[in-house]
Amino acid sequence: GESVGLHLPTLSVQEGDNSIINCAYSNSASDYFIWYKQESGKGPQFIIDIRSNMDKRQGQRVTVLLNKTVKHLSLQIAATQPGDSAVYFCAERETSYDKVIFGPGTSLSVIP
Amino acid sequence: DAGVTQSPTHLIKTRGQQVTLRCSPKSGHDTVSWYQQALGQGPQFIFQYYEEEERQRGNFPDRFSGHQFPNYSSELNVNALLLGDSALYLCASSRGTTNNEQFFGPGTRLTVL
Repeated sequence: GESVGLHLPTLSVQEGDNSIINCAYSNSASDYFIWYKQESGKGPQFIIDIRSNMDKRQGQRVTVLLNKTVKHLSLQIAATQPGDSAVYFCAERETSYDKVIFGPGTSLSVIP
Repeated sequence: DAGVTQSPTHLIKTRGQQVTLRCSPKSGHDTVSWYQQALGQGPQFIFQYYEEEERQRGNFPDRFSGHQFPNYSSELNVNALLLGDSALYLCASSRGTTNNEQFFGPGTRLTVL
């Protein structure tokens, strides 16, 4: 069936560097995308979202880029901090359906 | 303002038993979705409740059922537990059903022996 997938299962970055986490999606009807952060023992936490009528959206230290042509989504974290260490999930949603489809996740480790 | 709360935090059951998990949505939210997250994987959508009715369902057998109460809280019931049902069960709430931000609870860790 349709699914959302990630290119890299793990990512290690030096503190202060920028991080880029990539995601590929396969459902061309998806029109809403979300990035979640999940720390150990906690539920996923909303980071940022983007609708399909946008290519880029910025938040505090985070930017999400959407390339609908190649069905690719990325999360950029500026000046990565130790507190950013977690598993990051991209997720997609189609307006006509209420369910959110999660990708398998990328584990981000920040090296002090 | 309390966020999404779930109970219990941990639960151990044996095969064949039945379990009920509970969720209270964030204040002001009327929609509850349930997810199953196996170890090392992303959450998988089970179903969503709005106005006390199941609106959407993922690829889960009928052993998984739910309910939403007038105060918007929800229960997830799993019958005839299998070893493979061991997972973290997450509840997420939102306001309405159209692409609104979902807030997740901490989850209930279910272990089936």
